[in-house]
Amino acid sequence: EVQLVESGGGLVQPGGSLRLSCAASGFTVSSNFMTWVRQAPGKGLECVSFIYTGGSTYYADSVKGRFTISRDQSKNTVYLQMNSLRAEDTAVYYCARDYYYGAGPLGSYFDYWGQGTLVTVSS
Amino acid sequence: DIQMTQSPSSLSASVRDRVTITCRASQSINKYLNWYQQKPGKAPKILIYGASSLQSGVPSRFSGSGSGTDFTLTITSLQPEDFATYYCQQTYTTPTWTFGQGTKVEVK
Repeated sequence: EVQLVESGGGLVQPGGSLRLSCAASGFTVSSNFMTWVRQAPGKGLECVSFIYTGGSTYYADSVKGRFTISRDQSKNTVYLQMNSLRAEDTAVYYCARDYYYGAGPLGSYFDYWGQGTLVTVSS
Repeated sequence: DIQMTQSPSSLSASVRDRVTITCRASQSINKYLNWYQQKPGKAPKILIYGASSLQSGVPSRFSGSGSGTDFTLTITSLQPEDFATYYCQQTYTTPTWTFGQGTKVEVK
């Protein structure tokens, strides 16, 4: 059974840091595209970071230079290191698997999601 | 970035109603459009991918259509468990996938 379990959220002061973890079971994270999606309270969904099978990474402009996505093959876990946190980073953070149904680089959907972990940035 | 605009932002409906939600892209995205359902306190769930393909296990009362810039999600006979928020997502401009702002389906 495929499962994603996030952890690491909590309350942090502005300027602080947190590291989120997403432990996967039922598939290998290094063989899949993985993403972090966040949702601010009462708001919509925003993709903040991706990590590709080859290790390349992508960041939304809103977090570029502050967040770092990585993975540990031995632990089958994806991480999101969040530094210089701001009030506007307050959100539930979900990790998800990006499943490609097409033959090329386009056409995918997030087929498995974790339960989410809440990050609150406040003094 | 491609902007995704859903309408309406919310709607009120009754059980057994036919519900239609639209999603418009700021430029053509071919058929690279997904629909998700999200219930309070839960992660989103994929319903439709590739504009019209029903994800395995999703009831057939859900359907999607469209291509280019205009897309539709239809629920043919709304059930109690369908009251939720629905999001469209484009996966045309890799990797900057973007979501619509959501449509909340509420009880009339």
